[in-house]
Amino acid sequence: EIVMTQSPGPLSVSPGERVTLSCKASQSVSGNLAWYQQKPGQAPRLLIYGASIRATGIPTRFSGSGSGTEFALTISSLQSEDFAIYYCQQYNKWPPVTFGGGTKVEIK
Amino acid sequence: QVQLQESGPGLVKPSETLSLNCTVSGYSISSGYYWGWLRQTPEMGLEWIGSFHHSGRMYYHPSLKSRVTMAFDTSKNQFSLILTSVSAADTAVYYCAGGDYVGPFDQWGQGTRVTVSS
Repeated sequence: EIVMTQSPGPLSVSPGERVTLSCKASQSVSGNLAWYQQKPGQAPRLLIYGASIRATGIPTRFSGSGSGTEFALTISSLQSEDFAIYYCQQYNKWPPVTFGGGTKVEIK
Repeated sequence: QVQLQESGPGLVKPSETLSLNCTVSGYSISSGYYWGWLRQTPEMGLEWIGSFHHSGRMYYHPSLKSRVTMAFDTSKNQFSLILTSVSAADTAVYYCAGGDYVGPFDQWGQGTRVTVSS
């Protein structure tokens, strides 16, 4: 099973700032990496798949990068609605598909 | 617009069977997506349970495979999760979801909380 490790949080960020979240895989997942955003009481929302492809309707301030074992999600200018928990997920080698533990982005 | 809605009991007794349904609207489950179940707990985070394709391909989490069954009914546009011999460790919010493959899930239900307790 591939273990996904995310940068510890929470990250305290001011609105308008740029933030980069990290995700590392215990072995290569190629580019088969997705990012999700989850707000309290809601289901996760797909932001990025294929490591860098924005899902439908996702603002351009969200960008993903990386391949192999190291990945990043960057929010270029944090908006109030972006304060949430972010999860990465690998779908390269399964079963099982696996998720990282999440990184919380909170208001500074 | 695709919508998914989970339904089922919110309380299950230990050693009994958990059964959940997911009703899909706005898209036919036989149109090519992969559908599945995930769960979330504070301790374990997000955990994939299994996914299937209407062609009959079924994929399960190895650690749950012995206790999990998924089924689907294309006439009702529904699919279901059955988890046997539940314990407190199965207490979680359960989500049904869909995606292009067994990978990124771009459609999610709102989630349903299931508590295992006597």
